[in-house]
Amino acid sequence: GDSVTQMEGPVTLSEEAFLTINCTYTATGYPSLFWYVQYPGEGLQLLLKATKADDKGSNKGFEATYRKETTSFHLEKGSVQVSDSAVYFCALSPPYFQGAQKLVFGQGTRLTINP
Amino acid sequence: NAGVTQTPKFQVLKTGQSMTLQCAQDMNHEYMSWYRQDPGMGLRLIHYSVGAGITDQGEVPNGYNVSRSTTEDFPLRLLSAAPSQTSVYFCASSRYSGTGGRETQYFGPGTRLLVL
Repeated sequence: GDSVTQMEGPVTLSEEAFLTINCTYTATGYPSLFWYVQYPGEGLQLLLKATKADDKGSNKGFEATYRKETTSFHLEKGSVQVSDSAVYFCALSPPYFQGAQKLVFGQGTRLTINP
Repeated sequence: NAGVTQTPKFQVLKTGQSMTLQCAQDMNHEYMSWYRQDPGMGLRLIHYSVGAGITDQGEVPNGYNVSRSTTEDFPLRLLSAAPSQTSVYFCASSRYSGTGGRETQYFGPGTRLLVL
């Protein structure tokens, strides 16, 4: 079945460091791919998305490129801030659900940024 | 525009008790869903609905019931709570566009449930 595998956490970095959180997926067909972020005590918020191969999603300095050949959607940011501390979830949505969206999530990666 | 709201924020139940988790959205979204979040497992889909009167099962539906009588509301019912249902529950909504899952889902703040 469809699945998402994320880089194990927790990840701890210093402010202004470069961030990569790896995400690979297994799916039938061409799923849409998402990164969601969960700040402490809050619900999930969409960070970025890509709906077809080679698309690049970007938001708030974060980027991820839909790589069909490597079935990956790695999240990157060039210079992290303390305010980026959160849990990050990679997710896919299979195309065969015909408009209904069944998000399949990875296990989440907790990121802590130290000043 | 409140988005997706959930009540209560926190609940403690005893094994065997029943309760309803409330979810409402004011964005006129056709699609609504319930997820549970457990440590190390991400979020898993419990039930979903593509419109009033239409519901279907997700990945982990056992022990939960849903109904959708209005576009705005999508309550989740625990019929007889078990310790295995201790979790954080999230409700989400999105447009229903027929484009195969490309719409953004908007999540509520969650309900933390503890079953003793």
